[in-house]
Amino acid sequence: NAGVMQNPRHLVRRRGQEARLRCSPMKGHSHVYWYRQLPEEGLKFMVYLQKENIIDESGMPKERFSAEFPKEGPSILRIQQVVRGDSAAYFCASSSRQGQETQYFGPGTRLLVL
Amino acid sequence: AQSVTQLGSHVSVSEGALVLLRCNYSSSVPPYLFWYVQYPNQGLQLLLKYTSAATLVKGINGFEAEFKKSETSFHLTKPSAHMSDAAEYFCAVSAYNDMRFGAGTRLTVKP
Repeated sequence: NAGVMQNPRHLVRRRGQEARLRCSPMKGHSHVYWYRQLPEEGLKFMVYLQKENIIDESGMPKERFSAEFPKEGPSILRIQQVVRGDSAAYFCASSSRQGQETQYFGPGTRLLVL
Repeated sequence: AQSVTQLGSHVSVSEGALVLLRCNYSSSVPPYLFWYVQYPNQGLQLLLKYTSAATLVKGINGFEAEFKKSETSFHLTKPSAHMSDAAEYFCAVSAYNDMRFGAGTRLTVKP
């Protein structure tokens, strides 16, 4: 009974490179959420996706960040031209339905930008 | 829009003492409320969830929380702290399709 899976667990990039973070939701879940956690801070909502649709991206920076959840395969959070301020832990969560459903979290991807 | 405020970014208790982590919420609709725990370098694990069925909610690891609508609070308690309870705790509120988290409270347990 696999939970939410994220890879890689750790990612090191130099400024200007691209970072791709993957998230496979729990089996049967079609709703995915991405959060960012900066050191000593709480979780900040970034984006909410259902299969092939972005439902709410109000927390995602307008530039350099994008997310997708294709019909087949994992959800991808893509950060282009990374900067040092992008260094953070990025968590993915999934739920079985929309609304006030419990979100189950993955272990996170820790991005370090040199 | 909904929001959560966690009072106290750091709480320190002695082993065996009462744990009380405070959370106040704001929501324009009847909320669902959650407590999650995060151990170092791990993701968030659900401790308990309030869904309006009962105001006192029991969770894992001996934790419980009480929903008080008049105080808009959902404080987390545990009668006797254990060393393994040392972690970061997040309160969250959900309405419609999204969830909003508090800034977290780091719990330290002293021997």
